[in-house]
Amino acid sequence: LAKTTQPISMDSYEGQEVNITCSHNNIATNDYITWYQQFPSQGPRFIIQGYKTKVTNEVASLFIPADRKSSTLSLPRVSLSDTAVYYCLVGGPSGSARQLTFGSGTQLTVLP
Amino acid sequence: DAGITQSPRYKITETGRQVTLMCHQTWSHSYMFWYRQDLGHGLRLIYYSAAADITDKGEVPDGYVVSRSKTENFPLTLESATRSQTSVYFCASSELGTDNSPLHFGNGTRLTVT
Repeated sequence: LAKTTQPISMDSYEGQEVNITCSHNNIATNDYITWYQQFPSQGPRFIIQGYKTKVTNEVASLFIPADRKSSTLSLPRVSLSDTAVYYCLVGGPSGSARQLTFGSGTQLTVLP
Repeated sequence: DAGITQSPRYKITETGRQVTLMCHQTWSHSYMFWYRQDLGHGLRLIYYSAAADITDKGEVPDGYVVSRSKTENFPLTLESATRSQTSVYFCASSELGTDNSPLHFGNGTRLTVT
């Protein structure tokens, strides 16, 4: 199983860039890396997904080094509404769905 | 509207009672999942289903039963509820089998076993 490790919590201030790193040392060749955001009393919500190098969408960027043993979610200019728990998940279409287990996530708190 | 809905949103039951949590999706995704979320444990996979009539255990299946007679529904049953099953339960769906589609989650059912 591609177990993931993330920091338990992070604090930031409004307007700053936030980088959250996830370690996944035994990622498989066909695995993708997916990040989710969860607000209280809601289910996790898809943010971004990547396989290698860099992926960017309207809300975040995902940086994946060549060895793919880690990944970094980058949130530009965070606001108070970005306070949430962020999870990284590793898995792929050729792997077992049983592998889709989440770690404990990173609680991001954005301060005014 | 297309989406994934869970019911009930809140449920209180007594130890030993049977309770069923419902999950319905309108995308016709092949895969469906049940997770539980407890403080300090993140999301843990209980059961998943790759298609109608195909189910398999996840990380924490003991005490739970699932069925999937129709693609769009994936109920989770606690046959004899215990206090340790007090948790927030999330259902999710995905098209994992055909591409790397991400998981789409419902808003959860908060279950309290007294």
